[in-house]
Amino acid sequence: AQSVTQLDSHVSVSEGTPVLLRCNYSSSYSPSLFWYVQHPNKGLQLLLKYTSAATLVKGINGFEAEFKKSETSFHLTKPSAHMSDAAEYFCVVIGFSGTYKYIFGTGTRLKVLA
Amino acid sequence: DAMVIQNPRYQVTQFGKPVTLSCSQTLNHNVMYWYQQKSSQAPKLLFHYYDKDFNNEADTPDNFQSRRPNTSFCFLDIRSPGLGDAAMYLCATNEIDRANQPQHFGDGTRLSIL
Repeated sequence: AQSVTQLDSHVSVSEGTPVLLRCNYSSSYSPSLFWYVQHPNKGLQLLLKYTSAATLVKGINGFEAEFKKSETSFHLTKPSAHMSDAAEYFCVVIGFSGTYKYIFGTGTRLKVLA
Repeated sequence: DAMVIQNPRYQVTQFGKPVTLSCSQTLNHNVMYWYQQKSSQAPKLLFHYYDKDFNNEADTPDNFQSRRPNTSFCFLDIRSPGLGDAAMYLCATNEIDRANQPQHFGDGTRLSIL
């Protein structure tokens, strides 16, 4: 069965410093992985996706993630945090049980300090 | 811009009074999903349509129903809302039921129960 674990429920960084949000996955086959961001009272916006192509995936707003099969990880990074990055971030793996479904991590709330 | 639109953004209803939430899409996607998201939690899938085929999650309460009269619209009906149904309801679409396709989310409807 597929699953994802987001290792930190809360992360605080200062504006202009790097961001690291950690996600480990479990999958019995080559996974499809996504990162989404959710700002307060908004829907989920796709940041980036990994679907068995390049292991370093670049997304929107300066975010990127690296797929590491040996570590079963798909961590999200950004070189320099901006105040507007403060939000909830979800790591998602695709699971299959008759149909394809999203399996969500529990989320990481990113706080950016001025 | 092609998008997923949810109306209303905020809905207040009374305990036990039926309520309908709506979702429309201009993406012409085959699959439409309804999720329930409670505070500080990941979204939880209630059901989805693949074209006109309805797929209910095993643990979705009978109180929740859905209709999809055409490709563009999908409705969530809550027949007798209880206090525990207060949540954000998210609609999402997907072009096709495939492992590498990301879902596209609307901005949600926040439902309050008095």
